[in-house]
Amino acid sequence: DAGITQSPRHKVTETGTPVTLRCHQTENHRYMYWYRQDPGHGLRLIHYSYGVKDTDKGEVSDGYSVSRSKTEDFLLTLESATSSQTSVYFCAISESPANTEAFFGQGTRLTVV
Amino acid sequence: DAKTTQPNSMESNEEEPVHLPCNHSTISGTDYIHWYRQLPSQGPEYVIHGLTSNVNNRMASLAIAEDRKSSTLILHRATLRDAAVYYCILRGHNAGNMLTFGGGTRLMVKP
Repeated sequence: DAGITQSPRHKVTETGTPVTLRCHQTENHRYMYWYRQDPGHGLRLIHYSYGVKDTDKGEVSDGYSVSRSKTEDFLLTLESATSSQTSVYFCAISESPANTEAFFGQGTRLTVV
Repeated sequence: DAKTTQPNSMESNEEEPVHLPCNHSTISGTDYIHWYRQLPSQGPEYVIHGLTSNVNNRMASLAIAEDRKSSTLILHRATLRDAAVYYCILRGHNAGNMLTFGGGTRLMVKP
């Protein structure tokens, strides 16, 4: 299995509080991604990174920020959590070319109350 | 990003072959066809991918139409563990090489 871990695995937080989710990889892959998945839906891209300090927005980036100060870590921050951000968050890693596979973490279940 | 179309759900009997179709009529010449699956309460996992030729690996086979506008994921003998949502995704050489997920096909396997 690819070395990718997400932390925490579960979190309950209150509306308006900041939350940071961590994705850590040991594969030295260039690309890292954050997705969210809501009941009955496929995964939607929030942000991605194509290198240290290089990040860009995905489909549903409003209310989220990311940082990548080291190759192995990609942080997703909810500056002020809202109930609409209750979701399961998945991190993924990949080498650059489109003809390589991506590896996904086990997910973080976030509940905003 | 090019879009894919898959049936919402399919059923199969255990130990029988399963053919999961995917249409991607707007595929570009450099898009790879990827398949991932997601088991309950897990993150997606890679199944197979290809460009033009049919591909086989230990998990499945991928049959790609000659015009590349459709493809079929083949599970040769479905097991109960294969019950999952299967996603057909086009992955191109865009800025992030990202995977754009659609709704996928929920495969149910009957014993």
